[in-house]
Amino acid sequence: KAGVTQTPRYLIKTRGQQVTLSCSPISGHRSVSWYQQTPGQGLQFLFEYFSETQRNKGNFPGRFSGRQFSNSRSEMNVSTLELGDSALYLCASSSSQRAGETQYFGPGTRLLVL
Amino acid sequence: DQQVKQNSPSLSVQEGRISILNCDYTNSMFDYFLWYKKYPAEGPTFLISISSIKDKNEDGRFTVFLNKSAKHLSLHIVPSQPGDSAVYFCAASAREYGNKLVFGAGTILRVKS
Repeated sequence: KAGVTQTPRYLIKTRGQQVTLSCSPISGHRSVSWYQQTPGQGLQFLFEYFSETQRNKGNFPGRFSGRQFSNSRSEMNVSTLELGDSALYLCASSSSQRAGETQYFGPGTRLLVL
Repeated sequence: DQQVKQNSPSLSVQEGRISILNCDYTNSMFDYFLWYKKYPAEGPTFLISISSIKDKNEDGRFTVFLNKSAKHLSLHIVPSQPGDSAVYFCAASAREYGNKLVFGAGTILRVKS
């Protein structure tokens, strides 16, 4: 099976712009979660989608949003970018939304905000 | 509020010896724990997990031990190999939180040959 894929791998934006990141989960996986990794805050949970519904949300401002499509692919959007949004954004998929299911991560999208 | 803590930022071990990485947690609702290995600019790779109903899980060179009363888990790698050099993250989840993983800050493992 192919793993989790994320596009693009690298992105440079300027403050105030918006960005959309894409994630394709492992075939058959219906849960997609997003995480942000920064040197200062480590790996932080953004949100989780299951069957096109947001099931869980972390402590991030409303500028961070996402959605999931019927084929389980997910997108994450960040509007009005700030310098502090520079990070590695990781997507993870699992077969269900239950805790105890192992999540598998994609390679990430490195976002640099100038 | 750091619910998952990895107090050792780094660990250096000789090839062939045992590597022991530690993790502490504060939230008693956590019932599933995972270890991930990560290289720079890559996504975390799943290594091994353990449910709170167990106290040990083994997979090849990797063994995870869970001490619920102490809210402590550890990852043992035996024997350590140079290719094991990476950042290791401990993560925890709770049934109430669904698939949300709470990560520790990570421990850099260096295996010297």
